[in-house]
Amino acid sequence: DAKTTQPNSMESNEEEPVHLPCNHSTISGTDYIHWYRQLPSQGPEYVIHGLTSNVNNRMASLAIAEDRKSSTLILHRATLRDAAVYYCILESGGGADGLTFGKGTHLIIQP
Amino acid sequence: NAGVMQNPRHLVRRRGQEARLRCSPMKGHSHVYWYRQLPEEGLKFMVYLQKENIIDESGMPKERFSAEFPKEGPSILRIQQVVRGDSAAYFCASSPLRTSSYNEQFFGPGTRLTVL
Repeated sequence: DAKTTQPNSMESNEEEPVHLPCNHSTISGTDYIHWYRQLPSQGPEYVIHGLTSNVNNRMASLAIAEDRKSSTLILHRATLRDAAVYYCILESGGGADGLTFGKGTHLIIQP
Repeated sequence: NAGVMQNPRHLVRRRGQEARLRCSPMKGHSHVYWYRQLPEEGLKFMVYLQKENIIDESGMPKERFSAEFPKEGPSILRIQQVVRGDSAAYFCASSPLRTSSYNEQFFGPGTRLTVL
């Protein structure tokens, strides 16, 4: 699976939007873009995924660049419970293959 | 519907002992994945199993580690002759039967293995 690059950490204030970037310049045509997050002392949880079009769900939005070489996870109104490590992952098996987690972005939310 | 269950949650072993980690997937899920997270690092994929079959073990160390997912019962990750470097959090995930639609992986709470 192709490599992703994310900032090590980001800080935001509670109840403000958060934009978490991810670069994946070597993405292939069949790669899905997945986002998982890991809260402290817990297992990861799925956030959102996309292929080519922007996506929205109850947790977040995913904005995918037209050339697919980057994407942005958007938390519309961050809460303290959103403090976690966010992982951007590329995988071509529709989510069913083993996932390659990088170091992710440590999101800090200030009250 | 209970989530993915892992036990024990914490396991302490002395060097040279065996460690057995168990994972019960979500009801109706036939795919199981094992990942290892070393301190201060991201998760590393180890193995992907379906019932009675290993599908992908490309991330599994060649020696001392084995995994199974029998027809009945939980999936087992077995580490023989543990060493201090095996100390890590081991996470199991499960997924429903692969179809043409997306397969989200649901993770358990992990087993934290400490080797003394």
